[in-house]
Amino acid sequence: EVQLVQSGAEVKKPGESLKISCKGSGYSFSNYWIAWVRQMPGKGLEWMGIIYPSDSDTTYNPSFQGQVTISADKSISTAYLQWINLKASDTAIYYCARSGGLPFDYWGQGTLVTVSS
Amino acid sequence: EIVLTQSPGTLSLSPGERATLSCRASQSVSSTYLAWYQQKPGQAPRLLIYGASSRATGIPDRFSGSGSGTDFTLTISRLEPEDFAVYYCQQYANSPQTFGQGTKVEIK
Repeated sequence: EVQLVQSGAEVKKPGESLKISCKGSGYSFSNYWIAWVRQMPGKGLEWMGIIYPSDSDTTYNPSFQGQVTISADKSISTAYLQWINLKASDTAIYYCARSGGLPFDYWGQGTLVTVSS
Repeated sequence: EIVLTQSPGTLSLSPGERATLSCRASQSVSSTYLAWYQQKPGQAPRLLIYGASSRATGIPDRFSGSGSGTDFTLTISRLEPEDFAVYYCQQYANSPQTFGQGTKVEIK
């Protein structure tokens, strides 16, 4: 069974750093793209970027370039989304999603990130 | 960036009725790369339709997609109680991939 399991909810202060994770199982993790999607409270879906774990080829949405870092460790089938300097406006649910021949056919359960002083 | 505009914002219908959701792109999108998702409160989105008209695995045949170029449609032939949710279209032809703002299908 294909699964993407994300790390748990986080509460952080502005200016802090954070790295959340997405662990894939039940398929060949290296050979499918993993995307990160943001959903701000009560809002729609925003594509942040995507990584191919086999070679770490990464593409960012220009709106998020420089604000976050997407990485992956294929040896442990895990993708990451990282912030160095969190802002209150980063408060959102972050989803990882798998993409191969199809668009996002499997999604993680989401990680709620709350940034508040 | 390709902007996707969904209409209406909210659709108020009764179970058993037909729902027609629209997704209009700011520039032509290859139909190969247009998808629809369903999202229920507190859940991750679920892939319904890819390639504009192909149903994803396990999706009931009351869901159908159509369209080409800049105009795409998701149709739910007869609404079941579990279909009341928010629906998003997505283009994955060009980077950055983009989503529409969503259409909420609510019980009338």
